[in-house]
Amino acid sequence: ELKVEQNPLFLSMQEGKNYTIYCNYSTTSDRLYWYRQDPGKSLESLFVLLSNGAVKQEGRLMASLDTKARLSTLHITAAVHDLSATYFCAVDMDSNYQLIWGAGTKLIIKP
Amino acid sequence: EPEVTQTPSHQVTQMGQEVILRCVPISNHLYFYWYRQILGQKVEFLVSFYNNEISEKSEIFDDQFSVERPDGSNFTLKIRSTKLEDSAMYFCASSGGRLYNEQFFGPGTRLTVL
Repeated sequence: ELKVEQNPLFLSMQEGKNYTIYCNYSTTSDRLYWYRQDPGKSLESLFVLLSNGAVKQEGRLMASLDTKARLSTLHITAAVHDLSATYFCAVDMDSNYQLIWGAGTKLIIKP
Repeated sequence: EPEVTQTPSHQVTQMGQEVILRCVPISNHLYFYWYRQILGQKVEFLVSFYNNEISEKSEIFDDQFSVERPDGSNFTLKIRSTKLEDSAMYFCASSGGRLYNEQFFGPGTRLTVL
């Protein structure tokens, strides 16, 4: 059974600081997705990572994928309050297009 | 930009009643999904649908649940006899699904069972 673990589950940080969210998964997959969810809102696709070594950047967020280590990271650079949200990673099950979701990391960025 | 839409945004129902949640996926997408999220918790997969049939379903998706694509655009989730524990946010998603499975989510329907 594929398991996806995110850590930390909760992160409170100051504006201007850097931090990394980790997403580990338990079986072979080379496709991973990051989503953002604001409170009471839907899930917004942030990054699509499709191969080992893939790196994508958008503003202050950068995501990477290491399929050999079964690890993806979401790095936040010089955090700003607007990045406060819950971030989910999801891993692709090739066999049936089901995504297996991590529990989410609730990120709070304080001014 | 194409988007997934869902109606209603909020549904309140009495325990034991039937509810139908509606979704219009992105028009050229082939794969459709329902998820639920209990407040503050993780996203839970319910069912995936492709080529007019269920391709995968979770343990949550028991006999009380059904899905349908009654026409070329709508995708519905029916809960036959709602229980208190069905109260959650229900999200519909769709994907093109050919090379990879980036899923696009609708705004959700908040279901409250009293």
